[in-house]
Amino acid sequence: SQKIEQNSEALNIQEGKTATLTCNYTNYSPAYLQWYRQDPGRGPVFLLLIRENEKEKRKERLKVTFDTTLKQSLFHITASQPADSATYLCALKPHLYNQGGKLIFGQGTELSVKP
Amino acid sequence: DGGITQSPKYLFRKEGQNVTLSCEQNLNHDAMYWYRQDPGQGLRLIYYSQIVNDFQKGDIAEGYSVSREKKESFPLTVTSAQKNPTAFYLCASSMRAGLSYNEQFFGPGTRLTVL
Repeated sequence: SQKIEQNSEALNIQEGKTATLTCNYTNYSPAYLQWYRQDPGRGPVFLLLIRENEKEKRKERLKVTFDTTLKQSLFHITASQPADSATYLCALKPHLYNQGGKLIFGQGTELSVKP
Repeated sequence: DGGITQSPKYLFRKEGQNVTLSCEQNLNHDAMYWYRQDPGQGLRLIYYSQIVNDFQKGDIAEGYSVSREKKESFPLTVTSAQKNPTAFYLCASSMRAGLSYNEQFFGPGTRLTVL
């Protein structure tokens, strides 16, 4: 069956450390993968997009990697701050879905950064 | 200011009633989407639309209906046939980019509670 999975357990880290979140998928052929941030009671906000032919993307303190052999994307936040505390969602765009920008979302990982 | 708006923020419904959730965008985006989010779960696609007067079912369309009479508006009706409608509803839009679509922009969400 097709699945996209993120760590269901919350990730708790100390301020200043690097947070690493994982997104694994099975039985999909992704055209690209996106990462979103969601704060409680609010809509997700787009952070980064990485395409199938890209290994790594960076934006300020954020880095995302994409390994199509392992069928995994890693999302890193360096020098983490308490303001980074939120739920992070990965979303996959399969090649097969050629209607619109239809995305398949993971369930999200909650990140808590302690001062 | 460009953006996507949803109303109302909170909505209470008695069993057996239909309710309509509003979604408006002034981003001139081609595609619009409706998602449902339940606690501890990711976003599940209800309906999406690529162009005016056209829309497609997502993964959980039963008990819901939509219309796309104008590019900027994509209202969702939750009918009495939806057995478990209490959830957080998110509307999103995205711009076409060639044969694909860019990232999705989300509204603030509507929290629907059935009494």
